Amino acid sequence: KQEVTQIPAALSVPEGENLVLNCSFTDSAIYNLQWFRQDPGKGLTSLLLIQSSQREQTSGRLNASLDKSSGRSTLYIAASQPGDSATYLCAPTNNNAGNMLTFGGGTRLMVKP
Amino acid sequence: ETGVTQTPRHLVMGMTNKKSLKCEQHLGHNAMYWYKQSAKKPLELMFVYNFKEQTENNSVPSRFSPECPNSSHLFLHLHTLQPEDSALYLCASSQVTGTSGWETQYFGPGTRLLVL
Repeated sequence: KQEVTQIPAALSVPEGENLVLNCSFTDSAIYNLQWFRQDPGKGLTSLLLIQSSQREQTSGRLNASLDKSSGRSTLYIAASQPGDSATYLCAPTNNNAGNMLTFGGGTRLMVKP
Repeated sequence: ETGVTQTPRHLVMGMTNKKSLKCEQHLGHNAMYWYKQSAKKPLELMFVYNFKEQTENNSVPSRFSPECPNSSHLFLHLHTLQPEDSALYLCASSQVTGTSGWETQYFGPGTRLLVL
């Protein structure tokens, strides 16, 4: 059974800092991995999707990397802004699990002005 | 707006009540999902419907009963719930292509459920 761990669980930084959020997963037989953002009491917004054959994906100030063999993904946020404050979730999809996502517990980010 | 709507947004119910949660997607997707998000626990998949057929039931108690009448609508019928069922219930949809093409899931805003 896939297990997903996200470190740190919470992070508070001043505006402008570059950040790295970590995600590790126990079963490396994944089809893809997604990073989501969740604002308090709201649904999830997909940020980036990395296919298992890819090493990284970029969208604006966000860059996600994937090292499938070691079971790790990182989300890099450049020049953080207060509007980036949210919970960030990573979710791999396993090859033998169809379209089922397994979520980590998330990293709760606070960017202070 | 992600193209996935959920109603109601908030619901308070007693343990003997029967209620239903509704999800509608306007994206033309062929797969829909129910997730449960409890405090202090990771988001958990409950049910998956591909092409209107239930393909996954992730060991969910029978007091939760899903229904997918067409590819755009998904319901979660609730009866005799327990206080520990209080949570945020999220619906999602995606496009499934062939046997191995799973694209990004789009989530609704959720229904915040409180069981008294």
